[in-house]
Amino acid sequence: NAGVMQNPRHLVRRRGQEARLRCSPMKGHSHVYWYRQLPEEGLKFMVYLQKENIIDESGMPKERFSAEFPKEGPSILRIQQVVRGDSAAYFCASSPDQGLEQYFGPGTRLTVT
Amino acid sequence: QQQVKQSPQSLIVQKGGISIINCAYENTAFDYFPWYQQFPGKGPALLIAIRPDVSEKKEGRFTISFNKSAKQFSLHIMDSQPGDSATYFCAASPTNTGNQFYFGTGTSLTVIP
Repeated sequence: NAGVMQNPRHLVRRRGQEARLRCSPMKGHSHVYWYRQLPEEGLKFMVYLQKENIIDESGMPKERFSAEFPKEGPSILRIQQVVRGDSAAYFCASSPDQGLEQYFGPGTRLTVT
Repeated sequence: QQQVKQSPQSLIVQKGGISIINCAYENTAFDYFPWYQQFPGKGPALLIAIRPDVSEKKEGRFTISFNKSAKQFSLHIMDSQPGDSATYFCAASPTNTGNQFYFGTGTSLTVIP
């Protein structure tokens, strides 16, 4: 059973460009969470999604950030008009319907130049 | 505001020794407390987790001690090995009101051979 997959693993964007980060949850998992990790810091919750629904986006910045988890395909975290402060590692986690555990992917390291 | 406070920030232990990492929280709605291990460049991996209805949980060399009245919990790594050198994060979640994890700021553990 493959784990949580994220791509790309590394992404370099210039200021003002768009960044798209993809996450495929573990097989059988329908809950997806996105977290951001700044250097030397813990992970900060951004958004919680189920298929076609945003359940909790209380950790998402109000502007430029959006997330979706369509019926088919991976979950996508989209950052528009990136700024240097968006440089961070973005992790996706998934959990099964009846479980509390969250399993993390390897992350996407975004660098904004 | 940091909802979960973790200490120490870094820890150096001799091989064979006991590593102890502590976390504290204030929100009494938290009812699920996992610990994650993260190696450089990798995603966090679930180590062990506890619910507040028990005071201790042991899995191999890893033990969580939980003090509900003090709102504190700790990770003990017995017989620490150089391969345990990693960053450890505690987390807490209010599973009845949401599934997001609140992470501590991490402890960098180095086990000296």
